[in-house]
Amino acid sequence: SQQGEEDPQALSIQEGENATMNCSYKTSINNLQWYRQNSGRGLVHLILIRSNEREKHSGRLRVTLDTSKKSSSLLITASRAADTASYFCATRSNDYKLSFGAGTTVTVRA
Amino acid sequence: DTEVTQTPKHLVMGMTNKKSLKCEQHMGHRAMYWYKQKAKKPPELMFVYSYEKLSINESVPSRFSPECPNSSLLNLHLHALQPEDSALYLCASSHYERDNYGYTFGSGTRLTVV
Repeated sequence: SQQGEEDPQALSIQEGENATMNCSYKTSINNLQWYRQNSGRGLVHLILIRSNEREKHSGRLRVTLDTSKKSSSLLITASRAADTASYFCATRSNDYKLSFGAGTTVTVRA
Repeated sequence: DTEVTQTPKHLVMGMTNKKSLKCEQHMGHRAMYWYKQKAKKPPELMFVYSYEKLSINESVPSRFSPECPNSSLLNLHLHALQPEDSALYLCASSHYERDNYGYTFGSGTRLTVV
């Protein structure tokens, strides 16, 4: 079952710009994860943030988590054409289910 | 080996056919999953296996029958499917108790039911 919503649904940016997408969820979580999917292929795990963490960095990725608002954001800095993909947040709950948000489609223009 | 391998990559089957999707991983993960993804939608959880036992069935119709023969293999047996079952079927694996790790997904099987 879909856990939450992502905003925006689609994002088009110029190469070199930053891309920010947001995710909201409904229930309590153990962790929140972000995945990338290229053209309907498999999902690639990008970054995981635990429920007791507020911010995490990995390379050009920065993720924040606000458990009081049940929301998270993913920032991709200095975007590249290869970042063109769909991005999904996913929440893992106590019952070991990983549930995905609706996703944001990012297009990076050269 | 840090991959999840799914076969076949593409499958076309009739509504009276019986077919199977296969998934294999050698990362020592003790949890394996089947997800279904329709076009422009997020993946939806179907089944969870932990330590080779079915632990979660998300009310999936019985025409989908999962099987976990050992800790490295996961199958999804298909029988009497409907055209609306056409989708991308994704297999994933993960550590079960440790929740500091993400899931590893296969590249999926694109299923078309005719």
